[in-house]
Amino acid sequence: DQQVKQNSPSLSVQEGRISILNCDYTNSMFDYFLWYKKYPAEGPTFLISISSIKDKNEDGRFTVFLNKSAKHLSLHIVPSQPGDSAVYFCAATTQGGSEKLVFGKGMKLTVNP
Amino acid sequence: NAGVMQNPRHLVRRRGQEARLRCSPMKGHSHVYWYRQLPEEGLKFMVYLQKENIIDESGMPKERFSAEFPKEGPSILRIQQVVRGDSAAYFCASSPEGGGVVQYFGPGTRLTVT
Repeated sequence: DQQVKQNSPSLSVQEGRISILNCDYTNSMFDYFLWYKKYPAEGPTFLISISSIKDKNEDGRFTVFLNKSAKHLSLHIVPSQPGDSAVYFCAATTQGGSEKLVFGKGMKLTVNP
Repeated sequence: NAGVMQNPRHLVRRRGQEARLRCSPMKGHSHVYWYRQLPEEGLKFMVYLQKENIIDESGMPKERFSAEFPKEGPSILRIQQVVRGDSAAYFCASSPEGGGVVQYFGPGTRLTVT
């Protein structure tokens, strides 16, 4: 069973526009969410995270929104840059447990110049 | 300021051989996690270790797979009698003692079983 879902496998946007990446989860025990970016042949790189006690967290061009009632989170990148082209993974965990991360399947973002 | 190191980066094994994957966590990190990524899939948790202890191995296949994180040296993920289905990218991550839930990943080891 897929507890973290990224339903769109890919997204293409123009440079300078906004990229919105979506993620849904089913396990109501999850209380911390993370986004990672991954280039080919490299490991995932941490981008931004959010605790379930918040509904928004912002870091530069990256903002993550959390809607607990809908079990939905989204990552907004604005303005998008060609260097943002990568696969983005949403991950969730339960603090205080083993803190293993449960990942979605990823979404490939392409930012066109 | 070295990040998480993994070696080898690429490993080719014939069916039935053993594979040993090594992971050195970031300096000051005492928690190590192993994940596996199959083609077109997300990363799947395998095992969580602290020095000399396995904390959570709920994602490890029951047979052929083992992991350790000795007092000295890197963490080792060992796969005995490899099969074609073991071909995947194996990622190690680390986090600091009491430092929160963010995990920092190494570059991965790509295992190919022929």
